[in-house]
Amino acid sequence: GAVVSQHPSWVICKSGTSVKIECRSLDFQATTMFWYRQFPKQSLMLMATSNEGSKATYEQGVEKDKFLINHASLTLSTLTVTSAHPEDSSFYICSASRGLAGAGNEQFFGPGTRLTVL
Amino acid sequence: GENVEQHPSTLSVQEGDSAVIKCTYSDSASNYFPWYKQELGKRPQLIIDIRSNVGEKKDQRIAVTLNKTAKHFSLHITETQPEDSAVYFCASLYGGATNKLIFGTGTLLAVQP
Repeated sequence: GAVVSQHPSWVICKSGTSVKIECRSLDFQATTMFWYRQFPKQSLMLMATSNEGSKATYEQGVEKDKFLINHASLTLSTLTVTSAHPEDSSFYICSASRGLAGAGNEQFFGPGTRLTVL
Repeated sequence: GENVEQHPSTLSVQEGDSAVIKCTYSDSASNYFPWYKQELGKRPQLIIDIRSNVGEKKDQRIAVTLNKTAKHFSLHITETQPEDSAVYFCASLYGGATNKLIFGTGTLLAVQP
């Protein structure tokens, strides 16, 4: 199957610091990667969509200067939470897809990263 | 705008009974509808999906039905087992320029032994 990893699996940081989360597709090339945020007992909320080599497309209400996304290769995307604050504490999940738009290509999810900002 | 409603938010059944979760989507151009199972603190796992050119799909104890006219789709789990207990999310592929899934609000299924 298609395997997606995330690193770190959990992180605790002080308010005001920046945190980088990596998402890797281990056995396939991911044309598109997605970043989601999930608060406790809530659904997955899409933050942004990134295609390799181009700028990410952010969802309405997501600050692009706060959540920096880089998709430099077909197997790696990173999410950097800049100047993190306690309200950014959440479960961040990435997913990766082999294909592009409209074809309903399956998204393979990473295991998630639990971010706690003190 | 893009929206997927999911009901019920919680569902408790006895082991062996059936469970049904329903979703309604808003984008008539949506053409792909996956269902995910998520255990606490874990990643969502795809359990079944359906595309807009079929009305029903079955995989052992799990089935999904789709009514495109009404923009409804449902998950049916038969002969439920305690290990089916989890949060289930429906999703709809937004029919725009990106491969973007819109998730429902989730259903916490508890199967009582």
